[in-house]
Amino acid sequence: ELKVEQNPLFLSMQEGKNYTIYCNYSTTSDRLYWYRQDPGKSLESLFVLLSNGAVKQEGRLMASLDTKARLSTLHITAAVHDLSATYFCAVDRVSNFGNEKLTFGTGTRLTIIP
Amino acid sequence: DTGVSQNPRHKITKRGQNVTFRCDPISEHNRLYWYRQTLGQGPEFLTYFQNEAQLEKSRLLSDRFSAERPKGSFSTLEIQRTEQGDSAMYLCASSRQGKAVNEQFFGPGTRLTVL
Repeated sequence: ELKVEQNPLFLSMQEGKNYTIYCNYSTTSDRLYWYRQDPGKSLESLFVLLSNGAVKQEGRLMASLDTKARLSTLHITAAVHDLSATYFCAVDRVSNFGNEKLTFGTGTRLTIIP
Repeated sequence: DTGVSQNPRHKITKRGQNVTFRCDPISEHNRLYWYRQTLGQGPEFLTYFQNEAQLEKSRLLSDRFSAERPKGSFSTLEIQRTEQGDSAMYLCASSRQGKAVNEQFFGPGTRLTVL
């Protein structure tokens, strides 16, 4: 069974600081997704990482993928309050039925402190 | 493109009642997914449609749950004889087959509270 783990689960950081969220998964997959969720809201797609070594950046967020290590990172640079949210990674895997479905990590609740 | 829509946004019901939720996917998307999310957890896969065919159901989906997607357009998720453990956010997502990336776009969700 595919397992996706994130750490840390909770993260409080000061504005202007840098930090990294880690996402480990247990079986081979070449596609990894990062989503953002604000309280009481749905999920917003942030990044899609398709291959080993893939790196994508949007504003203060940068995501990378190492398929050999089964590890993705989401790096936050010079955090601002607007980045406060819960961040999920998800792995796309073809199931035994030949269907693609996402398995989500536990989420990292990020709080940016002024 | 109006995105994925779900109705109702909130539903409060008494234990034992039946509830039905609706999801309207992005118009050109032929794949539709239902997920359940409980507080403090990531979404968990429930079921998947490709066009009108329901191709996979999670073991989380007990026989009290049924989903349909007539004509491959909107989908409904019905829960019969609701239990307090059914309280959760029910999320619908859609994607388009044939693209290299199965990027799923999520709706706003339906929050179910069973009293």
